[in-house]
Amino acid sequence: ELKVEQNPLFLSMQEGKNYTIYCNYSTTSDRLYWYRQDPGKSLESLFVLLSNGAVKQEGRLMASLDTKARLSTLHITAAVHDLSATYFCAVDSNSGYALNFGKGTSLLVTP
Amino acid sequence: GAVVSQHPSWVICKSGTSVKIECRSLDFQATTMFWYRQFPKQSLMLMATSNEGSKATYEQGVEKDKFLINHASLTLSTLTVTSAHPEDSSFYICSARAPLGTGRAKNIQYFGAGTRLSVL
Repeated sequence: ELKVEQNPLFLSMQEGKNYTIYCNYSTTSDRLYWYRQDPGKSLESLFVLLSNGAVKQEGRLMASLDTKARLSTLHITAAVHDLSATYFCAVDSNSGYALNFGKGTSLLVTP
Repeated sequence: GAVVSQHPSWVICKSGTSVKIECRSLDFQATTMFWYRQFPKQSLMLMATSNEGSKATYEQGVEKDKFLINHASLTLSTLTVTSAHPEDSSFYICSARAPLGTGRAKNIQYFGAGTRLSVL
């Protein structure tokens, strides 16, 4: 059974600080996705990581993928309040193109 | 703009009634769409894979007679929650992956806006 584990599940951080969210998965997968979800909303695609060593950056967020370690990270630099949301990582399922999601990291950025 | 359209965005219904949710891919043909369910403060769980022109594939534990999926065209999948009960109250989200050659970014799964179902 494919497992996707994120940590931490809850994160409260001050504005201006840096932090990393981790995503481990249990089977081989060359594709990993990061999504953002605001309360009551659907998912917004942040990053698609397609190969080992892939690194992508958008604004204050940077994602990386290590397929050998089955680990992806989402690094937050100099957090601002607007980044408060829930962040999900996901990998392709074994049965096709559906996604298996982690439990999500609920991020709260405080002044 | 939205690539995948989902309607309605919010529905309240009485226990025992049926509710239909529509998911449309707006600018590409999707032979496969997916339906997820998300309970409050939880992650998304795949319910079923909707296959155009054939039967849906349901995940273990999802009642196919309760959650009817129809994918009659390449741009439309519907999920009908039959005889809804309060425990079916949840956030339902559909998605579709754009196939190669559509001009859309490949390997991206596009999500609908979600439907919040409240069963009284």
